[in-house]
Amino acid sequence: QVQLQESGPGLVKPSETLSLTCTVSRLSINSGHYWGWIRQPPGKGLEWIGSIYNSGTTQYNPSLKSRVTISGDTSKNQFSLRVSSVTAADTAVYYCVGDSRITWYYYWGQGTLVTVSS
Amino acid sequence: EIVLTQSPGTLSLSPGERATLSCRASQSVTSSYIAWYQQKPGQAPRLLIYASSSRAAGIPDRFSGSGSGTDFTLTISRLEPEDFAVYYCQHYGGSPPTLTFGGGTKVEIK
Repeated sequence: QVQLQESGPGLVKPSETLSLTCTVSRLSINSGHYWGWIRQPPGKGLEWIGSIYNSGTTQYNPSLKSRVTISGDTSKNQFSLRVSSVTAADTAVYYCVGDSRITWYYYWGQGTLVTVSS
Repeated sequence: EIVLTQSPGTLSLSPGERATLSCRASQSVTSSYIAWYQQKPGQAPRLLIYASSSRAAGIPDRFSGSGSGTDFTLTISRLEPEDFAVYYCQHYGGSPPTLTFGGGTKVEIK
């Protein structure tokens, strides 16, 4: 069974860069799947951040594109998220996700809470 | 930008009842790119329905999806205790292509 696990700091200071990594088990990130990030502010709905395909082709939510970078590391079977210039509005549970299609996501990590605060 | 509006915001029903959840798109969309998720407190969302009407692996057949154009529906034929949760519809498309979620419908025990 494919497993995704997020890792990274749970607390980030305002104006700094949020960095998270997703480790994928039992499926290569170069297997023709789309891998992505979705976030959920506490008590609110879901927001797609972006996706990466075959560790190269990326798509981003236009509302976040200027601050977001998603990259892949095939040697570690991981993909990562960077969000620059964070504010309190970036406080959320961040989920890493994956699927063979870009149109929806079957595989989800458990999520990790990132709080932006000084 | 395509906006998905889910209604009602909260649905209060009893186990065994039928639940009908609505998702309306701000413009006509391809039904092939509509999905539904279930989220329970403290858990990640789970894919229920993809391509508007296909059940994901392991999803019971009491869950069904339908719709076209701007109106899509998730139906739970007979609510089980484990079905009380928040449900999100989702679309992929537009220009530039974006994955968008509705605001969610909470199905609670009456």
